[in-house]
Amino acid sequence: EVQLVESGGGVVQPGGSLRLSCAASGFTFDDYAMHWVRQAPGKGLEWVSLISGDGGSTYYADSVKGRFTISRDNSKNSLYLQMNSLRTEDTALYYCAKVGISGWVLYYFDYWGQGTLVTVSS
Amino acid sequence: DIQMTQSPSSVSASVGDRVTITCRASQGISSWLAWYQQKPGKAPKLLIYAASSLQSGVPSRFSGSGSGTDFTLTISSLQPEDFATYYCQQANSFPPAFGGGTKVEIK
Repeated sequence: EVQLVESGGGVVQPGGSLRLSCAASGFTFDDYAMHWVRQAPGKGLEWVSLISGDGGSTYYADSVKGRFTISRDNSKNSLYLQMNSLRTEDTALYYCAKVGISGWVLYYFDYWGQGTLVTVSS
Repeated sequence: DIQMTQSPSSVSASVGDRVTITCRASQGISSWLAWYQQKPGKAPKLLIYAASSLQSGVPSRFSGSGSGTDFTLTISSLQPEDFATYYCQQANSFPPAFGGGTKVEIK
């Protein structure tokens, strides 16, 4: 059974940093690209970032480029999102999501974690 | 960047009703479109991919159609468990984009 479990969310002041983690199980982790998608309270879904299965390719939404860094440790079946220079508009539930086909970086998301909440507030 | 526009933003319907939600892409995306269902407090769930392919385990009352810029999600006979918010997503080009969502509410 595929499982994705996020952690690392919390309350942080504007300008601060947080590191999110996503622990994956139930599939061959390094075969699949992984994404982060966020959802502000009461709002829709916003794509944030992706990383290829081997970690060699990364992409970011313009809204987070230069502030967020996605990475993965395939030996630990884990995905990360380092978030720096946080802004109030980064407040959201952050989901990690798995793509549905191995080897593809851009595709549909067949499994999602339960999300971890990041609140940026003074 | 490709923009995805859903309509309506909300719809009120009764159990047994046929419900149709539309999604329009700002430029052609072939059939690179997915539909997700999200219930309150839960993660999105993939319903339809490649515009019309039903994800494993999803009831057959859900169907998708369209290609190019205009797409439709249809629920043929609304069930109590279908009251949720539905999102479309394009996977044709970066960045992958979601529509604004359609909330299906009880009439």
